[in-house]
Amino acid sequence: KNEVEQSPQNLTAQEGEFITINCSYSVGISALHWLQQHPGGGIVSLFMLSSGKKKHGRLIATINIQEKHSSLHITASHPRDSAVYICAVRSRANDMRFGAGTRLTVKP
Amino acid sequence: DGGITQSPKYLFRKEGQNVTLSCEQNLNHDAMYWYRQDPGQGLRLIYYSQIVNDFQKGDIAEGYSVSREKKESFPLTVTSAQKNPTAFYLCASNYRQGGFLYGYTFGSGTRLTVV
Repeated sequence: KNEVEQSPQNLTAQEGEFITINCSYSVGISALHWLQQHPGGGIVSLFMLSSGKKKHGRLIATINIQEKHSSLHITASHPRDSAVYICAVRSRANDMRFGAGTRLTVKP
Repeated sequence: DGGITQSPKYLFRKEGQNVTLSCEQNLNHDAMYWYRQDPGQGLRLIYYSQIVNDFQKGDIAEGYSVSREKKESFPLTVTSAQKNPTAFYLCASNYRQGGFLYGYTFGSGTRLTVV
């Protein structure tokens, strides 16, 4: 079993829909990252969080440390949100573990 | 603008040849990393370096080598010993402050195809 599990693996939505991507992890962590990988392959960091909730524009990330679970929400989704979203956790030993990613396609 | 530059974006090599992937950062980050990404799998750590002239093996170091002669540069050599080198390779960097790591930044990747 992977240390970081994401669901769903693939997600197709219509423009305007509310989207949720989930991440569960099995190790103790010091922080959790949500990353976005565009078709060209480059990755950008969306959020780093260790508790509670963060919001940036239409993106919201939450984490429940007790349940070892995080969610990434996208409100009013748009075709430009189409990308692979990757959950990554930084263990207490400071090494990073990555989920396999969720491929999101938003149709106009 | 500060960032990480990986070159080339696409690379083709014949089986049995060594090939070196470039990674340069101008962020003044101390730590640099090389990851390999295969379809349907999470990124896997190949090598990392926390300081100049020092580097450590990651989870899948066999068949790879690195050097860290300058803070800005962390090239990765894929040797002929790597059994399945065709993959997407990502370089990353961050800095350490107060025992924690910040500023995780990725390059745009190099897609290596061995024929």
